[in-house]
Order: sequence, then structure tokens, then C-alpha cells
Amino acid sequence: GAGVSQSPSNKVTEKGKDVELRCDPISGHTALYWYRQRLGQGLEFLIYFQGNSAPDKSGLPSDRFSAERTGESVSTLTIQRTQQEDSAVYLCASRIGPNQPQHFGDGTRLSIL
Amino acid sequence: AQSVTQPDIHITVSEGASLELRCNYSYGATPYLFWYVQSPGQGLQLLLKYFSGDTLVQGIKGFEAEFKRSQSSFNLRKPSVHWSDAAEYFCAVGRSQGAQKLVFGQGTRLTINP
Repeated sequence: GAGVSQSPSNKVTEKGKDVELRCDPISGHTALYWYRQRLGQGLEFLIYFQGNSAPDKSGLPSDRFSAERTGESVSTLTIQRTQQEDSAVYLCASRIGPNQPQHFGDGTRLSIL
Repeated sequence: AQSVTQPDIHITVSEGASLELRCNYSYGATPYLFWYVQSPGQGLQLLLKYFSGDTLVQGIKGFEAEFKRSQSSFNLRKPSVHWSDAAEYFCAVGRSQGAQKLVFGQGTRLTINP
């Protein structure tokens, strides 16, 4: 498709389990972002990838959160030992280059029981 | 620290009425400013952006916004709303250089009365 694709769209898991969320950016977009949106809140920046440069992890809330991206393709966000406060919508965005806006996927709604 | 304030959590307007959603930002450098709209269960769609130049910017769906540096504001306007405009609206700010890590406001939920 032409847009940012995220999977799964919904994920329900038990506290303490690990989860992996996937993002397929728009083809040719060199920059990729992950954001978290808690219920009734705005988005919080988590991590940023730009090409083959080292990622900017300054928004990750704890060491239970990690993300990978190979080149300019798919990214995965992993949350280990999930906690109830991790329940949120996780949104991915990609951007083709400088002076261009970010384009968002529909998000993954994560619910921790 | 960078921040974005959307003072109105919820606004209700009648269909056909005019709309203004407020956004104030605090930013230490030249900002890039954005308005996004989010329908229930959906991601964010870009309405418009300000990078430089003309301070009145036009967006999709008949929306416009005006950048006022002296007031640190970037308010969103529409002359006549449609029922389909009911959604959550987010203002965001990012650096004009570098990573463009966006800082978002809390959002304004717009309800349209028929």
C-alpha cells in the first residue's frame, strides 16, 4: 500500500509477557519514528531512525523498550516484561526527508491485562 | 523545555458554524508547526504545516492556520464546519533542523451538532 502499515492493529497480552510491534514505512522514506499515545493524551516521542545512523533513543521510557530497523525498511518495537502502564496506542511515522512532514500509520492498540 | 498547549479539551460547534482551535507553543528555536487530525481508531492525518514564509497556511479540507510568532500561537480555523469534521485535533511542534521529533499538545476533541 501507499501508506505506513502497522501490525498487529490490536494486541492483548498478559502482564509480564514480551510483545513485538511492526511498522512498514512508506517506500523511500528514510526517517522512521515511534510514538506512544496513552488514553486521552497526545503523542509522546519514543525513538527515531534515520538511514544507517545510530537511532535516537532519547524518548524510550525504560530499558524494557527497544527497537530495531534494518536500513530503510521495516522496524520492530519490542516491549519486554510488559506492565499495565504500557497499555497505549503505539504509532509509527515515516518521513521522506528534511523539510517534509511525518506520515502516520493507524497504530497498534496494546492492552496489558 | 519544548511544550505545546491546546487550552480546549473539548469543543462543540453547530454544523455550518465557524471554528477556531487554539494552540500555543514554547520552543527555543525556529519551529516547524503542524496540525494533525485523528478519527476514532485511526492514525493521524496531516491537515497543514508551517515551515517558513507566509504565516497564513492553507491545508486540506478547507482548514487554515496562522502562525503568530509574537504570541507563540498557531491557531487552526475553518469558516464552516461539516459533520465529518468531528474528530480529535492535535497541534505539534518540531525543530526546523535535524530529527524533527514532534512534541504534541493534548488534543482538542471536536463535536459537531446537527
